[in-house]
Amino acid sequence: SQTIHQWPATLVQPVGSPLSLECTVEGTSNPNLYWYRQAAGRGLQLLFYSVGIGQISSEVPQNLSASRPQDRQFILSSKKLLLSDSGFYLCAWSVAAASYEQYFGPGTRLTVT
Amino acid sequence: DAKTTQPTSMDCAEGRAANLPCNHSTISGNEYVYWYRQIHSQGPQYIIHGLKNNETNEMASLIITEDRKSSTLILPHATLRDTAVYYCIVRSGTSYGKLTFGQGTILTVHP
Repeated sequence: SQTIHQWPATLVQPVGSPLSLECTVEGTSNPNLYWYRQAAGRGLQLLFYSVGIGQISSEVPQNLSASRPQDRQFILSSKKLLLSDSGFYLCAWSVAAASYEQYFGPGTRLTVT
Repeated sequence: DAKTTQPTSMDCAEGRAANLPCNHSTISGNEYVYWYRQIHSQGPQYIIHGLKNNETNEMASLIITEDRKSSTLILPHATLRDTAVYYCIVRSGTSYGKLTFGQGTILTVHP
């Protein structure tokens, strides 16, 4: 069966510090991968998606970036965090042919202080 | 993508069926109806989807009206663990599957 892992589960970082969140998927090959963010009391916002290694598309301009160095690994990064980057970050995967049936990880709750 | 309208909140007694409505009057012929739910502090969970026919799986049933302008998600025997925010999403097929989550319906299951 397929599983998706995210770490860390929680993170508190000062403004201006770098960020690296990692997501890995097991039990499937060539998945579509997604990064979403959910601000407090708000809906989910798609940040990035990837249909293959090295292929990243950005949905929202911001100071975040994403990379996909391996087929089942998706990384969300920032060089300098802003207060507005606080939120609940979720990674998701889907089988490429059934893209709206997405499976989400447990999430990382980021607080920028 | 078609816009969806859901009630802000609903209550249900434990053991009873929970019927969550969704209006999508501008849905087009190639758009599917998807349902997800999000339990507090967890990632969303896919529940079910459908195009025209009613669908059932181990979690729920999806009833889509004949004109496809509305649908109902049915949890046949709600438990306390079904308390969550339920999202109805309408999307057509694209290459990558961008999901747009609205405010959803907060379902509270009472003992």
